[in-house]
Amino acid sequence: EVQLLESGGGLVQPGGSLRLSCAASGFTFSNYAMSWVRQAPGKGLEWVSGISASGGGTFYALSLRGRFTISRDNSKNTLYLHINSLKAEDTAVYYCVMEVGDTELDYWGQGTLVTVSS
Amino acid sequence: QSALTQPASVSGSPGQSITISCTGSSSDVGSYNLVSWYQQHPGKAPKLIFYQGSKRPSGVSNRFSGSKSGNTASLTISGLQAEDEADYYCCSYAGNSSYVFGTGTKVTVL
Repeated sequence: EVQLLESGGGLVQPGGSLRLSCAASGFTFSNYAMSWVRQAPGKGLEWVSGISASGGGTFYALSLRGRFTISRDNSKNTLYLHINSLKAEDTAVYYCVMEVGDTELDYWGQGTLVTVSS
Repeated sequence: QSALTQPASVSGSPGQSITISCTGSSSDVGSYNLVSWYQQHPGKAPKLIFYQGSKRPSGVSNRFSGSKSGNTASLTISGLQAEDEADYYCCSYAGNSSYVFGTGTKVTVL
């Protein structure tokens, strides 16, 4: 069974930084591309970033490029998202997502809440 | 990349069929037959229910079906049931390993 467990969320001051983690299990992590998707409170879904199975390719939403860095450690079966210069509008639940076919978002974690506030 | 446009809400009575539209552009929906649909119940993570124009993940009811014409994709829920009440999002592959989501539709079962 695919399991994705996000961690690292919490309350952060504006301008701060944060690293989210996603521990994967139940599948061969190094074989699949992964993504991060976020959802602001009461709002819709927004694709944030993706990374290829090997980690050699990284991709970002145009509107978010620059402050977000996606990475993965295939030896630890873990996906990361580093966010710099946090803004109030980054407040959201961040979901870790596994891509089976590289063209849809197949399996989702339960998410981790990031709150940016002073 | 602009969000795909969905109606804010759609409602129907049990047993009826409803259709949710998802309008994008020639850069996303129109370029790829790679629109996927997600169901999200309150407080839960989204769940993939339809993808690649004609596929349903294992365990998803065949009451869910999809189609596409030009820059608009649609999700039809047949035989509406109380458990179908949720938010629904379309999502299109947008090239270069990126995605764009729809604005979301709240489905209410009357």
